[in-house]
Order: sequence, then C-alpha cells, then structure tokens
Amino acid sequence: QVQLQQWGAGLLKPSETLSLTCAVYGGSFNGYHWGWIRQPPGKGLEWIGDISHSGSTTYNPSLKSRVTISVDTSKNQFSLRLTSVTAADTAVYYCARGVITVLATERLYNYWGQGTLVTVSS
Amino acid sequence: DIVMTQSPDSLAVSLGERATVNCRSSQSVLYTSNNKNYLAWYQQKPGQPPKLLIYWASTRESGVPDRFSGSGSGTDFTLTISSLRPEDVAVYYCQQYYSTPPLFGGGTKVEIK
Repeated sequence: QVQLQQWGAGLLKPSETLSLTCAVYGGSFNGYHWGWIRQPPGKGLEWIGDISHSGSTTYNPSLKSRVTISVDTSKNQFSLRLTSVTAADTAVYYCARGVITVLATERLYNYWGQGTLVTVSS
Repeated sequence: DIVMTQSPDSLAVSLGERATVNCRSSQSVLYTSNNKNYLAWYQQKPGQPPKLLIYWASTRESGVPDRFSGSGSGTDFTLTISSLRPEDVAVYYCQQYYSTPPLFGGGTKVEIK
C-alpha cells in the first residue's frame, strides 16, 4: 500500500522560506510525477508543481520564480521550497503521486499526503 | 491556462436522490489523437486530502462505488451521484490534466437536504 508522509515547519514569518518534505512508502518511486498542491483555508486547490524520479521539474507559472522542487531517490523523498512567503501563501500543502495510465504518466493524483497547514504571520 | 468553472457552488439533495455537478473548461480538453478527455473528478471531505473518483472524464478509479459516474466531452462535463448517501457529503472538484498547469475547478459542495 502506497503511503505519502509529509512534514515541515507550520508557522513562518513573511519573507521566510517554506520547506516541506514528502516520503513515499510502498510501491515504486520510478515513473511517476510527484506533485505539490496547496489549498488556502476554505478555498480550492492550486497546483504548485511536480518532479519526476529523474529530477525533471514543472512548475505553475504563477509561482515559478519562488518554487523549487527536488528529489532524493535514495530516500524515496521529494521536497518543496517556496521562498519569500507572504500571508497569501497560508494554506494546507499536500504532496501527491501522479497516475500512470496505459497512455502515459498523467498529472492527476490518486495518492496524497495527509497535508501540512503552513501559516504565514508576523 | 485552461480555466475550469464549476456549477453550482453548492447543492442540497435528499438522500437517495440524484446529485449533478457541472464543470466547464475554457478550451477543449479532448485530445483528438486518442479521443480521450483529460478531465478528472475528486471528492474532498473535511480535514482530508482529495480523493480521485474519476479520470478520462468517465473512468471510475478502483474502489469507487458505481453510483458515481462522469460524462461529457470537449468543454462540458458532469459528475452524477445517482443515489445520494450520507457519506457522499463533500466538496467535489474537477481538474483538467490536458495541459500544464493542471488547474482545478472552484469546487461544488454537496449537502443533504
């Protein structure tokens, strides 16, 4: 059974850097998109970006200048860094695994981490 | 970007009745070379991550009850819950994965009348 377990600091001050890590247990790490999605309190879902097991990244243009996603295949982990945070970055952050279909690896997600609430406040 | 618009924002349905959620994309998510609609539906209950229900617009994820069905093509899609059960109370999101960024709709809250 695939499980994603995530952790990181939950309270940041404006201008600090958000850092979260997601560990993958069970199943293969190879071949999938490993993504980060966030959800501001009471609002909808925003795709942040993803990384393949080989380290190829794709980011949401709206966040691209501040986002770095990295992978450590030796530990089956991937990480998110978001610089210069503001109150607008307050959200629950989820890590997730993309789906491999008969056609390709797709950016839809069937395994999710438990979510980490990150609050940005002075 | 392909923007996803859901309607209604919320709906209340009696137990055992049908619930219908609509989703419209700002441009077609039908890939003509394989005739696949790159559209997924998720269910999110309070305090939980989203759960994938349907992909390719109409393919149920493994383990999803058959009272959930998806339909539509091109730019207009529908999620139908044929007979609402108490455990179906949730927010439902559509998502396109035709292009990057894979955007989500704003969500539809389904409640019991």
